[in-house]
Amino acid sequence: QLQLRESGSGLVRPSQTLSLTCSVSGDSIRSGFYSWSWIRQSPGKGLEWIGNIHQSGTTHYNPSLESRVFMSIDRLKNQFFLKLNSVTAADTAVYYCARDLGMLPHIWGQGTRVIVSS
Amino acid sequence: EIVLTQSPGTVSLSPGERATLSCRASQSISTNYLAWYQQKPGQAPRLLIYGTSSRAPGIPEKFSGSGSGTDFTLTVSRLEPEDFAVYFCLHFDGSFLTFGGGTKVDIK
Repeated sequence: QLQLRESGSGLVRPSQTLSLTCSVSGDSIRSGFYSWSWIRQSPGKGLEWIGNIHQSGTTHYNPSLESRVFMSIDRLKNQFFLKLNSVTAADTAVYYCARDLGMLPHIWGQGTRVIVSS
Repeated sequence: EIVLTQSPGTVSLSPGERATLSCRASQSISTNYLAWYQQKPGQAPRLLIYGTSSRAPGIPEKFSGSGSGTDFTLTVSRLEPEDFAVYFCLHFDGSFLTFGGGTKVDIK
């Protein structure tokens, strides 16, 4: 059974870089033609799609975050990654990773809370 | 950018009743690109419906979707205790996804 688990920095200083890892188990990230998404959720902004990365490495980013986002994938480790730089308090949220069904986030991780604070 | 507006913000219903949730787009969208999610407290969202009316794998028949143009509806035919949750609609085009603000269905 496919499972995803987010990990990474839970507390990030303003202006620094948020780094998260999504570890995939139960299936190979190389199987199929899936894309892999990052989504975040905060009380103020609700659910916000950050972007996705195809297993080939092709990325799509939310235009509102595109200048600060970088996603990558490690097929051998069965992981994919999110980096968001120049963070502010507005980036405080629960961050989810997911495997997509078409373009739709389908199988989600449990989420990890990230707080931006000095 | 397409904006999705969900109404009502909260609806109070009893178990066994039908829930009818609305999602309105700021401009006409293809039925292929409208989906619905359910989220329970402390959990990640779960995909219910894609392509306006197709149920995702494992989703029971009590969930159904309809609509076209700018107006879309999610119906839960008979509410069971596990159906009291927040429901989000989502629009996607080839490379960008937008969520609605959500409708909370709580127990009357």
